[in-house]
Amino acid sequence: GEDVEQSLFLSVREGDSSVINCTYTDSSSTYLYWYKQEPGAGLQLLTYIFSNMDMKQDQRLTVLLNKKDKHLSLRIADTQTGDSAIYFCAESPTGTASKLTFGTGTRLQVTL
Amino acid sequence: DSGVTQTPKHLITATGQRVTLRCSPRSGDLSVYWYQQSLDQGLQFLIQYYNGEERAKGNILERFSAQQFPDLHSELNLSSLELGDSALYFCASSVGARTRVGLWSTDTQYFGPGTRLTVL
Repeated sequence: GEDVEQSLFLSVREGDSSVINCTYTDSSSTYLYWYKQEPGAGLQLLTYIFSNMDMKQDQRLTVLLNKKDKHLSLRIADTQTGDSAIYFCAESPTGTASKLTFGTGTRLQVTL
Repeated sequence: DSGVTQTPKHLITATGQRVTLRCSPRSGDLSVYWYQQSLDQGLQFLIQYYNGEERAKGNILERFSAQQFPDLHSELNLSSLELGDSALYFCASSVGARTRVGLWSTDTQYFGPGTRLTVL
């Protein structure tokens, strides 16, 4: 079955790098996503990676994928107070149905 | 702004009642998804529609039903409401077909702001 796990909480100082980790179990997962949810808001797509890729960089965001260990991470460089939010990883299998299975979410707190 | 709209933003009702949540997808998107976010269950996929037809079903209760209309907007109907149905309900939309990105393709979902349902 599909299961996606994340640590619940991460606290970093402003200007430091944040690394949010995620593990998934479905070996057929082809697409892996990171979403951001700010308080009282919906889910904002940050980035995604295909399972044949090891790394993807997009400005301050770096996604690393270890397919063998089924481990995904999101690194935010130069973390700012505006990055404080809950970050969800999600996986989607191959096939015509694109449903997402989400992790529990990691609450990132950025301190001054 | 993702381009996906949901109404109402907040809904407060009593146990046993029935409510309808509405979602308008992004222009051009054919697929609509419904998700429930609750404190104990996290974010869970409920159901997906593509161009008016049900495509995939997740952990959706029998008391819940959905449909997608010819203009592609979707409604999620929740009946015989219980306290445990209190949650944030998200709608997402996507093109509905894998879009080529280089050698791969993706069908990225864009989420609406959600409807917060409180059952008293």
